[in-house]
Amino acid sequence: DQQVKQNSPSLSVQEGRISILNCDYTNSMFDYFLWYKKYPAEGPTFLISISSIKDKNEDGRFTVFLNKSAKHLSLHIVPSQPGDSAVYFCAATLNTGNQFYFGTGTSLTVIP
Amino acid sequence: EAGVAQSPRYKIIEKRQSVAFWCNPISGHATLYWYQQILGQGPKLLIQFQNNGVVDDSQLPKDRFSAERLKGVDSTLKIQPAKLEDSAVYLCASRQYNEQFFGPGTRLTVL
Repeated sequence: DQQVKQNSPSLSVQEGRISILNCDYTNSMFDYFLWYKKYPAEGPTFLISISSIKDKNEDGRFTVFLNKSAKHLSLHIVPSQPGDSAVYFCAATLNTGNQFYFGTGTSLTVIP
Repeated sequence: EAGVAQSPRYKIIEKRQSVAFWCNPISGHATLYWYQQILGQGPKLLIQFQNNGVVDDSQLPKDRFSAERLKGVDSTLKIQPAKLEDSAVYLCASRQYNEQFFGPGTRLTVL
């Protein structure tokens, strides 16, 4: 049972434009959400996170939005750069459970 | 600060052979995870340790997979015997607060 879903396997964006990556979840008990970035032949690296008590968190070019009523979060990258080309995973966790649940990933390509 | 170390980076074996992977987490991180990532999918948790104790191994195929973290630091994951469907990247991660830090992974190919 996939509790965290990323329905877009790939996304292409022009350099300088906004990239929007989406993620949906089914478990309303999740209270912390994270985005990871993965380059080929490397492990995922942490990008940005958000607690369920917030609806927005911003870090430089990266902003994560959380809509709890819709069980939806999104990652916005503005402006997109070619170096942002990677696979992005969203993840969710229950604070009490310690387990992280990952989506299937979205491959972002930023075209120069 | 050194990151999560894993070895080997790549391994090719034939089915029914055995294989072992090693992980050294970030110093001081009590929680350690092993994940299996099949191509095109997200990481799937195999086992989670808190110090040297197992917190969750519900998705570990215990008939062929085993893992240990004897001294609460390094960990090994073993597959014996391997099957074709075990071909994947095996990721180790350690945790501090709400963030996980991943190693580079071991890419296993079973022929």
